[in-house]
Amino acid sequence: GAVVSQHPSRVICKSGTSVKIECRSLDFQATTMFWYRQFPKKSLMLMATSNEGSKATYEQGVEKDKFLINHASLTLSTLTVTSAHPEDSSFYICSARPGQENQPQHFGDGTRLSIL
Amino acid sequence: GQNIDQPTEMTATEGAIVQINCTYQTSGFNGLFWYQQHAGEAPTFLSYNVLDGLEEKGRFSSFLSRSKGYSYLLLKELQMKDSASYLCAAMDSNYQLIWGAGTKLIIKP
Repeated sequence: GAVVSQHPSRVICKSGTSVKIECRSLDFQATTMFWYRQFPKKSLMLMATSNEGSKATYEQGVEKDKFLINHASLTLSTLTVTSAHPEDSSFYICSARPGQENQPQHFGDGTRLSIL
Repeated sequence: GQNIDQPTEMTATEGAIVQINCTYQTSGFNGLFWYQQHAGEAPTFLSYNVLDGLEEKGRFSSFLSRSKGYSYLLLKELQMKDSASYLCAAMDSNYQLIWGAGTKLIIKP
């Protein structure tokens, strides 16, 4: 149980393109989903916490207009990287948490974004 | 401030036992998580401790001492597939996860 699907797994696109990443909880409802970014050999960096039906809470230093998050249902959250530039190239990972706040987060497989 | 410390890298031999330590300082505490992350993949959940003591799950065990702000992950009968990064994460009073930088474990034959 607690399967999280993230799509696409890999994106290569030109600078200026907007890229949408989907995160779905397949066998549970996720009131809260999380979006992380990870640089090579570094730890996870939380970008934002996404709550179903309300605005996402962004971490300090993360541009809201750059990284648009929508959590339209209890099983789907999307991250859109708008007008992506090479410095946005990274590994983006979503996670979802079933049930109570002290439950473990379960991660999607991640999206490797490369902006040329 | 909130902080997690764990070794950057460890090396162990196939079939042996290794202990990965983690110390934490958080504003309040609601438990400690261990995740495994293979290179290029997303983390997978290993264990959760909120009470003092040892939790055993197959070849992997996790220990917590709340008074010392200390946890360890114990891996027994190491296999080559255990080569990965192991992430320690403490949950603070707001249920926010504070992530460590991860310990890269290298298993040698």
